Amino acid sequence: GQQLNQSPQSMFIQEGEDVSMNCTSSSIFNTWLWYKQDPGEGPVLLIALYKAGELTSNGRLTAQFGITRKDSFLNISASIPSDVGIYFCAGLNAGGTSYGKLTFGQGTILTVHP
Amino acid sequence: KAGVTQTPRYLIKTRGQQVTLSCSPISGHRSVSWYQQTPGQGLQFLFEYFSETQRNKGNFPGRFSGRQFSNSRSEMNVSTLELGDSALYLCASSYGGRTDTQYFGPGTRLTVL
Repeated sequence: GQQLNQSPQSMFIQEGEDVSMNCTSSSIFNTWLWYKQDPGEGPVLLIALYKAGELTSNGRLTAQFGITRKDSFLNISASIPSDVGIYFCAGLNAGGTSYGKLTFGQGTILTVHP
Repeated sequence: KAGVTQTPRYLIKTRGQQVTLSCSPISGHRSVSWYQQTPGQGLQFLFEYFSETQRNKGNFPGRFSGRQFSNSRSEMNVSTLELGDSALYLCASSYGGRTDTQYFGPGTRLTVL
């Protein structure tokens, strides 16, 4: 099925470094969401974006909804070991029969070295 | 407010059997969506229920079905299990608007032998 193009696929960084990941799509989305998933657990919502151009922060996390509505990025500042996990972007579309269907990126695996 | 709960957390079945998974949404949420997560395919949408009605369905065979009860709890059923059905099954709940944020449960890990 359709997926968002998320990059990078993986990142290995030192504790304290900043991280940036992004998602692009050929389709427009009305809502962009960023989730973090630990192994064997469900995704946990980090940030929700509802408006083109919106820039939202949640602690050390900052995310933006692209003005074309076809992309979004997530930044993590001053990474710490507990940031380790898989980060997913997801989009929601308001058109057609799109109820309840999140379209996901492939995920970014983040490893933080102490 | 309690989060989304899923039961059971782990299941082991054999090929040909059927399985039922349960999801209780966040209080006040009326929409439940189901997803299958595998290493090869990532997170794939199965279906969504709102007020006991299926409003949307993904590209999965008819062996995958679901239902929703009047208290918004939802179940999904997989009949005639195949090895390829081994996956983490996730449900997510929301208020039900087209672009409402979804909150996920911990998932049910299904292993088919």
